[in-house]
Formats: sequence, C-alpha cells, structure tokens
Amino acid sequence: DVKVTQSSRYLVKRTGEKVFLECVQDMDHENMFWYRQDPGLGLRLIYFSYDVKMKEKGDIPEGYSVSREKKERFSLILESASTNQTSMYLCASSSTSGLKPLYNEQFFGPGTRLTVL
Amino acid sequence: GESVGLHLPTLSVQEGDNSIINCAYSNSASDYFIWYKQESGKGPQFIIDIRSNMDKRQGQRVTVLLNKTVKHLSLQIAATQPGDSAVYFCAEAPGYTGGFKTIFGAGTRLFVKA
Repeated sequence: DVKVTQSSRYLVKRTGEKVFLECVQDMDHENMFWYRQDPGLGLRLIYFSYDVKMKEKGDIPEGYSVSREKKERFSLILESASTNQTSMYLCASSSTSGLKPLYNEQFFGPGTRLTVL
Repeated sequence: GESVGLHLPTLSVQEGDNSIINCAYSNSASDYFIWYKQESGKGPQFIIDIRSNMDKRQGQRVTVLLNKTVKHLSLQIAATQPGDSAVYFCAEAPGYTGGFKTIFGAGTRLFVKA
C-alpha cells in the first residue's frame, strides 16, 4: 500500500517563526502536492512538484515555499508564520503513467494541524 | 472561473438507506472527476473516479453519475453503514491544459444514524 507520512500531526508555533513541514512517500511517485484545508473552503493547492528540484505554484503560494531535493520528500516552508496560516496541511503524491499523467488518484498523508499563535 | 461546489454541506441518513451526495462543477473542459472520502483525523482517500466519456461508473456499493449537460456529478452509496460517516469531496481535473491541478469542492459531511 502507498504510504504518505507527515512529520507532525500537531504543531504549535509563534508568529514570525520559520516552520518546516515534512512529507515522505514510499511509492516512488513523481508528483507531490501540498494543500491546506480550511472549513468550508475544501482543499486549496499551495505548491506541487512533478520532479526532483521542480516546483510549481498552486492557487495560494503566498507566504510559503517548498523544497524537493529527493524524490520521496517534499517540504513546505513557512518563512515567517502568521496567524492566518493556522490550518490543516495535507501532503499528497501521485504517479505519472500513461499518456495523461493527470489522471491518477492522489494519495494523502494524515495531515498536520498547525496553530500559529 | 473554475470551481467545484456542493449542493448540501451536510447529509443525514438512516443506516441501511441509500445516500446521494451531489456536486456541481463549472469548467466544461474538465474531463476527469474523482470522489474522495475523509474520515475524522485522516487524509482524504480515493473512492471512485469517472472520465468525461462515461456517464456512470460503479464500484463496491458506490456509483458515480456524471451529467455533462448540466455539469453535475453525484455519488450514490448503497445500504449506507456507520463506517460511511465522513466528509466527501468531489474533485475535477481540468484537462491537460490545467496542468497537474486537481480542484476540490468544499465537501459534504455525511452522518449515518443507527
């Protein structure tokens, strides 16, 4: 079974701190994603990566950066955490196969609930 | 613009009854649709998908219907069980030109009454 793990289930940080959220997948997937989930807003894409050292902005990249130095690991970085970044953060991965790599389900980690005080 | 929405934010059904969760999408260029289930404390989990060249697809106790004319998607769960209680998300992949983005709806919470 595909397994996507996230470094922390719960995290509490203070405004202005630098925050690292780590995600690791064990299925050799090419694509990895970071979402935030807020009540009533569903999942919103922050960044995604389709290859090592490659990254693309999603719909809400402001205030975030990412790093993908190894295929299995995708990190989300909050350079200077703010209270409006309090949220549930979900990492996902998917494979690239066939002619249309978009058409593959995403496998999600359990999420990290981040609170910024 | 692109959006995926849901008609009802919550749905309560009796155990054993059938459940129907609805979803509207706005991008007529979308050609792949997915339903995910998210249980409390867990990440979303794939349930079933459907491509735009189909109007119905069945899985185990679940059926997805796609009506491209009115841009509507539904998830039917037969003989709903307590373990089906969760938040259900519909999602769309807006075709190749949309890149790798999958657009998720806000979700519907399903309550199953024993």
